[in-house]
Amino acid sequence: DGGITQSPKYLFRKEGQNVTLSCEQNLNHDAMYWYRQDPGQGLRLIYYSQIVNDFQKGDIAEGYSVSREKKESFPLTVTSAQKNPTAFYLCASSIGSSAGEAFFGQGTRLTVV
Amino acid sequence: AQTVTQSQPEMSVQEAETVTLSCTYDTSESDYYLFWYKQPPSRQMILVIRQEAYKQQNATENRFSVNFQKAAKSFSLKISDSQLGDAAMYFCAYRSPNTGNQFYFGTGTSLTVIP
Repeated sequence: DGGITQSPKYLFRKEGQNVTLSCEQNLNHDAMYWYRQDPGQGLRLIYYSQIVNDFQKGDIAEGYSVSREKKESFPLTVTSAQKNPTAFYLCASSIGSSAGEAFFGQGTRLTVV
Repeated sequence: AQTVTQSQPEMSVQEAETVTLSCTYDTSESDYYLFWYKQPPSRQMILVIRQEAYKQQNATENRFSVNFQKAAKSFSLKISDSQLGDAAMYFCAYRSPNTGNQFYFGTGTSLTVIP
């Protein structure tokens, strides 16, 4: 079955550590996105990628980094520079055309301990 | 950046009744797409319905329909015959080719269904 998979579902990080969230899709989508979701703030865009080896910063990119070496994969690294990383992170993918809807993974809940 | 506004943080509806969730957006573009997503307690985002701006006819998917008013930049979601499983957060989203095909989301409306 085609879909988008995020792992792990729950992640704990000590302060000062970097951590990488995985996002893989087998939908053959060109575009991929990372969102952060906090209570009462909806979905805020961290990074997005339209094609392999290219990505753009979203509204809250500070303290995060991404790579897009393969079409199927778009991992997100939460660095120690991110001041308040505890949140729910959603990865999504879509066809490149604006007519396409976003398909979402099941999310990763990151907690800093 | 485009702005998508959902002015109702919380709504409630009696089971089997009808409820309408509001969404407005700010754009100067003529070509764009609008979406409603549902996020149940599992937090999995699910597409409910989509609307192409060039279509005058309002989209319908079973019990879900939209009222798309292009001139007013309004895109409301109507849920008929509400069911307990409709309880969720609902997000309105906007996408257009002139903004890098990004999705812009509203802050969401939490819908409670009362048995």
